[in-house]
Amino acid sequence: KAGVTQTPRYLIKTRGQQVTLSCSPISGHRSVSWYQQTPGQGLQFLFEYFSETQRNKGNFPGRFSGRQFSNSRSEMNVSTLELGDSALYLCASRPEGLAGGHEQYFGPGTRLTVT
Amino acid sequence: GENVEQHPSTLSVQEGDSAVIKCTYSDSASNYFPWYKQELGKGPQLIIDIRSNVGEKKDQRIAVTLNKTAKHFSLHITETQPEDSAVYFCAAKRDRGSTLGRLYFGRGTQLTVWP
Repeated sequence: KAGVTQTPRYLIKTRGQQVTLSCSPISGHRSVSWYQQTPGQGLQFLFEYFSETQRNKGNFPGRFSGRQFSNSRSEMNVSTLELGDSALYLCASRPEGLAGGHEQYFGPGTRLTVT
Repeated sequence: GENVEQHPSTLSVQEGDSAVIKCTYSDSASNYFPWYKQELGKGPQLIIDIRSNVGEKKDQRIAVTLNKTAKHFSLHITETQPEDSAVYFCAAKRDRGSTLGRLYFGRGTQLTVWP
């Protein structure tokens, strides 16, 4: 079974621009979560989507948004980029509804650099 | 919200020795505790997890113990090998409620295994 895939893997943007990152979960997984990883703050939860609905949101400004499609693929968008948004953005999927269902499997991440 | 603390931040061991990483959590409602291994340039990989109704779980050279009363859990790696070198993260989450999909992570432990 293919793992979580994220595109693009690397991205360089300028302050003030916006960016869209994409995530395809493991087949059959309907829950998708996004995390931001930085050396200073570690792994921080952005939001979780399930059945196209945002179910949970972390403490990030409104510039960070996301959505989920009917095939469970998800995108996150960051508008008006700031230098502090430079980070590794990780997507994780979870087999909610199946036996267990707690395990989150991460993709390789998208490395975003804001200049 | 939940607060997960992880120690030590760095750990160096000789090949063949054991390594132990410890985490504490604050939310008594947390009942799922995964451990992740992250290698350079990759996303976190789930290596083992434990539920709150279990005190210990083993998988070959790795084991996790949980003390729910004291709110701490530990990762034990025996017979360490150079390929065990990576950053290890502990995490905690609830299995119900509004924060169902949200993992709270420790700050990570850089494990180096010297040949």
